[in-house]
Amino acid sequence: DAMVIQNPRYQVTQFGKPVTLSCSQTLNHNVMYWYQQKSSQAPKLLFHYYDKDFNNEADTPDNFQSRRPNTSFCFLDIRSPGLGDAAMYLCATSRGSYEQYFGPGTRLTVT
Amino acid sequence: EDQVTQSPEALRLQEGESSSLNCSYTVSGLRGLFWYRQDPGKGPEFLFTLYSAGEEKEKERLKATLTKKESFLHITAPKPEDSATYLCAVPSSSASKIIFGSGTRLSIRP
Repeated sequence: DAMVIQNPRYQVTQFGKPVTLSCSQTLNHNVMYWYQQKSSQAPKLLFHYYDKDFNNEADTPDNFQSRRPNTSFCFLDIRSPGLGDAAMYLCATSRGSYEQYFGPGTRLTVT
Repeated sequence: EDQVTQSPEALRLQEGESSSLNCSYTVSGLRGLFWYRQDPGKGPEFLFTLYSAGEEKEKERLKATLTKKESFLHITAPKPEDSATYLCAVPSSSASKIIFGSGTRLSIRP
């Protein structure tokens, strides 16, 4: 089945220790997104790639970066995680501006 | 400014008690409205896309409808397994992203 895959599902990191979350897709969609979601809140867009074009949200902290080495893969790098970065991180894909399909998420814990 | 507002914030129903969730939107040039279901600890699951006023779509006990200003998600004779947060979203008028509402947490008691 075509899908969006996120690894790992659960990640524990120490305060200030860099962490990378990964996302892959078999849908062949040209747009990939990273969202942060905290408890009882809607997903908050961090950035997205439209094909190879990177689009950063204005309020995304500099601590967050992303890479998309090819159509299928996208990575979220958190350079120096703080306690406030503990959240669910969601990857999504879409074909243009059509509906987005989400992965299962990575739950990040910062100790 | 693009905006999506959902109500109520939370809804508790008895099994079999039908109701509706509301999503009102303000966007220039609607290019679709999306409904998602999200279970705790999981990513949102796509349910429906509606493109034009008057359009309706159904899936099991759910029916989504669209007007020029709002969308409704009607749930008929719900079961406990329908308990989840329901999110609606619209494509931004100015960028290749979608604007989410804050969601409605639906709880169905047996």
